[in-house]
Amino acid sequence: DAEITQSPRHKITETGRQVTLACHQTWNHNNMFWYRQDLGHGLRLIHYSYGVQDTNKGEVSDGYSVSRSNTEDLPLTLESAASSQTSVYFCASSEMDPGIQYFGAGTRLSVL
Amino acid sequence: AQKITQTQPGMFVQEKEAVTLDCTYDTSDPSYGLFWYKQPSSGEMIFLIYQGSYDQQNATEGRYSLNFQKARKSANLVISASQLGDSAMYFCAMRVSGSARQLTFGSGTQLTVLP
Repeated sequence: DAEITQSPRHKITETGRQVTLACHQTWNHNNMFWYRQDLGHGLRLIHYSYGVQDTNKGEVSDGYSVSRSNTEDLPLTLESAASSQTSVYFCASSEMDPGIQYFGAGTRLSVL
Repeated sequence: AQKITQTQPGMFVQEKEAVTLDCTYDTSDPSYGLFWYKQPSSGEMIFLIYQGSYDQQNATEGRYSLNFQKARKSANLVISASQLGDSAMYFCAMRVSGSARQLTFGSGTQLTVLP
């Protein structure tokens, strides 16, 4: 069965460190997304990609970057982790239409 | 800009009863899609149901149905015969055509099913 996996599931890091969260999907979807979920804010879009070599900024992209070198993977990098980036991060992928997004299990990141 | 509003932070329902979770949306785009997701305490996001703006009939998926009232810009989720396993956070989301294929999410409703 097709799936979308995120790793690690839990991560503790220190402020200022670079952190990379992995996302791998076997749906063969062109569209991939990264969200963060915080209490009181629901899910907010960080970055998204429509295909290989394509990346776009979302609503809360400052301090984050992504790269898309193949269809299956969209890693999310925190260049210099800040305490404000403590959150739960979700990766998702979708087909073109109607655009139902399928989510990974999430990564809980704590920046101390 | 598009916006999704869920006005019920928390809801309670008795087991085996039906419950309606409210969702209103705002967009000027005539073509859009509406989605509902479930997030149990384990944290994963589970897709439940989809409604397109041009769909003539309300979407149904098992015990889930979407009460789509276009003129009122509402897309309420109806869960029939509630089960204890339905206790979770429920999110409404919208995608407009052309825009990025991204979803805009509401703030969610925490549903608790009582035995």
